[in-house]
Amino acid sequence: DVKVTQSSRYLVKRTGEKVFLECVQDMDHENMFWYRQDPGLGLRLIYFSYDVKMKEKGDIPEGYSVSREKKERFSLILESASTNQTSMYLCASRTSADTYGYTFGSGTRLTVV
Amino acid sequence: SQKIEQNSEALNIQEGKTATLTCNYTNYSPAYLQWYRQDPGRGPVFLLLIRENEKEKRKERLKVTFDTTLKQSLFHITASQPADSATYLCALDSNTGGFKTIFGAGTRLFVKA
Repeated sequence: DVKVTQSSRYLVKRTGEKVFLECVQDMDHENMFWYRQDPGLGLRLIYFSYDVKMKEKGDIPEGYSVSREKKERFSLILESASTNQTSMYLCASRTSADTYGYTFGSGTRLTVV
Repeated sequence: SQKIEQNSEALNIQEGKTATLTCNYTNYSPAYLQWYRQDPGRGPVFLLLIRENEKEKRKERLKVTFDTTLKQSLFHITASQPADSATYLCALDSNTGGFKTIFGAGTRLFVKA
């Protein structure tokens, strides 16, 4: 069964900490994404990557950075966590857009205190 | 601005009935429309993708319609079961290429036995 695996289901971090969220996919997809999901809002794109070492800003990149050193791994970094970054973070991968949707990980519920 | 709307009120139906969920959009020219299922605390799971030139698509008990004139998609679950209880998200892929997707906030479905 193809999978996107996120390293943590739940995280609690303090304001100002540097936070790393890891994501691995086993489908050999070129495209990987980081979304955040908040109640009443749709998923919002933070960053995405079309290829190794390549990254593009999404709709809400402020306060975040990403790293893609290997095809299967896409990391999201919160440089200095703030309380407004408390959210559900979802990693996803995708093949061509015209045949299939996103494969999401189980999500990381991050709480910044 | 681009907008995608799903009914924020939960839908309650009796087991065995057909559930119909609505997705409306404005100021957007989608090439593809997707539907996802999301269980509490989990990532969305891809269900169906329909192209702009397709009027209807079916998968087992699921049926999706896509009307680009009305700017609306309907998602039907026939012979609904309590196990179908979840939040259902719609998402639109832009026709400008790449992965420019907007997600709705979802509609919660409760199927009573």
